[in-house]
Formats: sequence, C-alpha cells, structure tokens
Amino acid sequence: GAGVSQSPRYKVAKRGQDVALRCDPISGHVSLFWYQQALGQGPEFLTYFQNEAQLDKSGLPSDRFFAERPEGSVSTLKIQRTQQEDSAVYLCASSPQGASSEQYFGPGTRLTVT
Amino acid sequence: QKEVEQNSGPLSVPEGAIASLNCTYSDRGSQSFFWYRQYSGKSPELIMFIYSNGDKEDGRFTAQLNKASQYVSLLIRDSQPSDSATYLCAVKGNGQNFVFGPGTRLSVLP
Repeated sequence: GAGVSQSPRYKVAKRGQDVALRCDPISGHVSLFWYQQALGQGPEFLTYFQNEAQLDKSGLPSDRFFAERPEGSVSTLKIQRTQQEDSAVYLCASSPQGASSEQYFGPGTRLTVT
Repeated sequence: QKEVEQNSGPLSVPEGAIASLNCTYSDRGSQSFFWYRQYSGKSPELIMFIYSNGDKEDGRFTAQLNKASQYVSLLIRDSQPSDSATYLCAVKGNGQNFVFGPGTRLSVLP
C-alpha cells in the first residue's frame, strides 16, 4: 500500500517568509509525528498527534512553529517568519497504534532558508 | 534531558563479517527500542524493534536489549556493501516522544 507522503519535497524560502509543509500518513494510522533532522544528526522530535489531538508539542523550537491535524489524517507543519536556523529536513512519521508502536517515515521536506 | 548515545563511526567491516552497532540510553523507564537504517539523502527505514530483554532475530539482523545496563545493540551478520548506511537507535520512554541517537555510519567494504 501507499506509504507516508510529504510535500513539497524541497522548499526554498527567503528569511521572514511563512512556509507550510504537508504530511499524508499511511491510511488508518492513528499516530503522527513530526521531526526535524539537521545534517549528520538524528531526527529531533517536534510534535505528536493521536488522531486529531496534539498530545505533545514539547519539541517545537519556538512559537513560530505550529502543527495541526484537524481531521485526524493529513497534517500540516507551519513555520512563520522563517529563519536560517530553520533550514533542515522535516520528517513526518506515522504509526498504526499509539505512541509506542513502530513508526514509518515519509521522504521528508528539505527546507532551505536563504 | 533524556539521551540516546551512539558511536558516530564510521564503523568499517569487510563484506561477510558481523557488524555490531551499539546504543546506550539514559532514561531507565524506557519501554520500546527501535533500529532504523538511513541511506544518505533518504528517510529512516525501520529495521527492527524490541521491547523485552534478550535477543530478537530477523533474517541477518539481531537486536539485543539489556535494560539493566541500559544498552541495546544491533548485529548484522554476513554484512553486504548494500548495508552501508547510517543506523539510528530510537528509544521511547514513558512520554509520547521518541528520542533518536545521532546514528552510527557503517561502511561495508567489498
């Protein structure tokens, strides 16, 4: 079946612009995670949804970052007033059950802020 | 601060040898442990997960967990050049989030 999809795959934004990154999880997966991955590092947790409820947003680095999953399926990560330090790969992952179960990653969105 | 540590490598092994990848974690309440493989420029791909102390085998891969020592490892038998990648250890504690280690870069030499 179809895996996790993300769009766009690449995004170049000028500093100060707003961006929206989309994640389409595997159909029926309850849990959805967003991660930020810098070059040469492991993924860093940003936020977690169980269905439409955002149960943990402790990893969001600032109030410029906002995520939603209004109908419990597709999720959007929005970054307002982008800064150069926001440049990274943003990964979305979904899992079939709660937060303890294995996660399946999408291809990621590479964001470059110039 | 909950931490997951891995040797960054690179770990180089000859083709056909056993590659041993290690991971330690700081949160003694951690419940679930995962190994992911990540090729350069690609997203992480799940290899194995383990919840209980002991060994779990899947094909050429064996995960080993020792909760008393807060240690989890991944063995890759009969290593192939196609196994060359970064291997990420991920640990889930009592909270909602997973903590990933920085990854170990494995190079299998033909």
